[in-house]
Amino acid sequence: AQSVTQLDSQVPVFEEAPVELRCNYSSSVSVYLFWYVQYPNQGLQLLLKYLSGSTLVKGINGFEAEFNKSQTSFHLRKPSVHISDTAEYFCAVSPTKAAGNKLTFGGGTRVLVKP
Amino acid sequence: DAGVIQSPRHEVTEMGQEVTLRCKPISGHDYLFWYRQTMMRGLELLIYFNNNVPIDDSGMPEDRFSAKMPNASFSTLKIQPSEPRDSAVYFCASSSHREFSLIGELFFGEGSRLTVL
Repeated sequence: AQSVTQLDSQVPVFEEAPVELRCNYSSSVSVYLFWYVQYPNQGLQLLLKYLSGSTLVKGINGFEAEFNKSQTSFHLRKPSVHISDTAEYFCAVSPTKAAGNKLTFGGGTRVLVKP
Repeated sequence: DAGVIQSPRHEVTEMGQEVTLRCKPISGHDYLFWYRQTMMRGLELLIYFNNNVPIDDSGMPEDRFSAKMPNASFSTLKIQPSEPRDSAVYFCASSSHREFSLIGELFFGEGSRLTVL
């Protein structure tokens, strides 16, 4: 089984400041890693994912994340946030050998960007 | 593409009533997922289908919950009888596993917000 821990439930940040959202996972098997974003009153959408290759992954809207296997982490970063980045962000994992795209999600981190 | 379509967007019902939530996945996707989101429990996977066949329903909370996928373009999640603790946002998502690059990319609907009084 897998589990995902997002260490911060809420992160307030000023516009144009950097932000880092922390994600740690636990798994007995190798996993793929994902970040999803949920804007108010909407479904989740994929920000970025790590399947293989370079451990630094770039996604949409200027976000990036780095996979650290030794620390079992996949932290999400953005160097300069906008008001429109106010949303909830979910880290997720999926076993590499499992059939299907069954994801286990973390509890989410709410980002509130202040002017 | 229209994306994943869910209905109704909002439902308010009384305890004991039957609730049916509907989902139309993206055409060509071979996986369909039902998730439930609450403040207390976050996002929970209830059940998922592959090629219309239920693969894992271990997340379905009780026998009051049932899900069907009669064909590739339609799925339902039914709660009978409903209880106040079922109040949540229910999301349907679909995905394709046919290409490596699409792994893990779930396309979510906008959700059905259920309130059981």
